[in-house]
Amino acid sequence: EVQLVESGGGWVQSGGSLRLSCAASGFTFSDFEMTWVRQAPGKGLEWISYISSSGYTIYYADSVKGRFTISRDNAKDSLFLQMDSLRDEDTALYYCLPLMTSGNYFDHWGQGALVTVSS
Amino acid sequence: DIQMTQSPSSVPASVGDRVTITCRASQDINRYLAWYQQKPGKAPKLLIFAASTLQSGVPSRFSGSGSGTEYTLSIDSLQPEDFATYYCQQADSFPFTFGGGTKVEIK
Repeated sequence: EVQLVESGGGWVQSGGSLRLSCAASGFTFSDFEMTWVRQAPGKGLEWISYISSSGYTIYYADSVKGRFTISRDNAKDSLFLQMDSLRDEDTALYYCLPLMTSGNYFDHWGQGALVTVSS
Repeated sequence: DIQMTQSPSSVPASVGDRVTITCRASQDINRYLAWYQQKPGKAPKLLIFAASTLQSGVPSRFSGSGSGTEYTLSIDSLQPEDFATYYCQQADSFPFTFGGGTKVEIK
């Protein structure tokens, strides 16, 4: 069974930093492209970052480019999101998601990690 | 970036109704489109991908159609468990983008 367990969320002051982790199990992590998607309270879904299976190809949404860094450790089946210069509008539930082999879709979701940024 | 416009933003419906939700892309997305269902306090659930392929385990009352820039999610004979918010997502190119959501509410 695929499991995705996000951790590292919490409350942080505006301008601060947090590092999210995602522990993956139930699939061959090193074979899968991964993404982060977030959802602000009461709002819709926003894709924010992508990393290829090898880690060599990375993309970011404009809203987080230059402030967030995605990385992975295939030896430890883990995905990370380093979030710097946090803003109030980064407050959201953050999900780490593997891309399906049949396309850029998300069929497995964890419980997410809640990040609250307050000035 | 590809913009995804979903309509309506909410739809009042009754059990047994047929509900249709539309998603319009700002450019051709070549049927690289998914639909998700989200219930309060829960993570989204994939219903349909590649515009019309039903995800394993999803009831057949859900169906998707469309091409180019116009896509539709239909729910036949709405069930009590179908009252939720639905999102479309384009998977054609980065950045992946989602529609704003459609809340299916009890009439």
